[in-house]
Amino acid sequence: GAVVSQHPSWVICKSGTSVKIECRSLDFQATTMFWYRQFPKQSLMLMATSNEGSKATYEQGVEKDKFLINHASLTLSTLTVTSAHPEDSSFYICSARRGAGVGPGSYEQYFGPGTRLTVT
Amino acid sequence: GNSVTQMEGPVTLSEEAFLTINCTYTATGYPSLFWYVQYPGEGLQLLLKATKADDKGSNKGFEATYRKETTSFHLEKGSVQVSDSAVYFCALRRSGGGADGLTFGKGTHLIIQP
Repeated sequence: GAVVSQHPSWVICKSGTSVKIECRSLDFQATTMFWYRQFPKQSLMLMATSNEGSKATYEQGVEKDKFLINHASLTLSTLTVTSAHPEDSSFYICSARRGAGVGPGSYEQYFGPGTRLTVT
Repeated sequence: GNSVTQMEGPVTLSEEAFLTINCTYTATGYPSLFWYVQYPGEGLQLLLKATKADDKGSNKGFEATYRKETTSFHLEKGSVQVSDSAVYFCALRRSGGGADGLTFGKGTHLIIQP
């Protein structure tokens, strides 16, 4: 299989604090991980692409100093929401892509279950 | 830029009914097209995909054909079951971009009644 986990599944924090969300590929190595954000009844919006060992690439309009992404290993990427505010409340979803040429399913993205962030 | 438009829900059908969820896209080049399904409390799962014009993706009785002339990738199933109740997302990945993130539609909530 290709399982991706996220931790925590939900978090409540106070305005001004920082929150870290982890995304792990449990049974495969992910050279690339993606972070998405989903508002209620809206589509998933790509926030950034992270490649292991290099800086993340952010989509237009996404503040890189606000949403810090670290892809320190082939199985772990983290998203840190710094100085969170109520408008950052959302559902954050990660996906992981297998390395190229690694059997069936190469290049497919496998999604985590998401993290619900509520900033009070 | 790239965009995906899919019919808004919820779509409510009776068991064994025929299902169509419309999806159209805007993109340059030759994107790959996907349908993802999200069951309650779970992450998105790839349902089917097509990577070039006239390709038909199929899985679990669902089908979708990549129609470049109409820029569409409609999802169909001949006889739905209660277990098909979920949210369905149409998505594209731009051509040549294996490492690119996906562009999603807003999702269609499907409810199948026994």
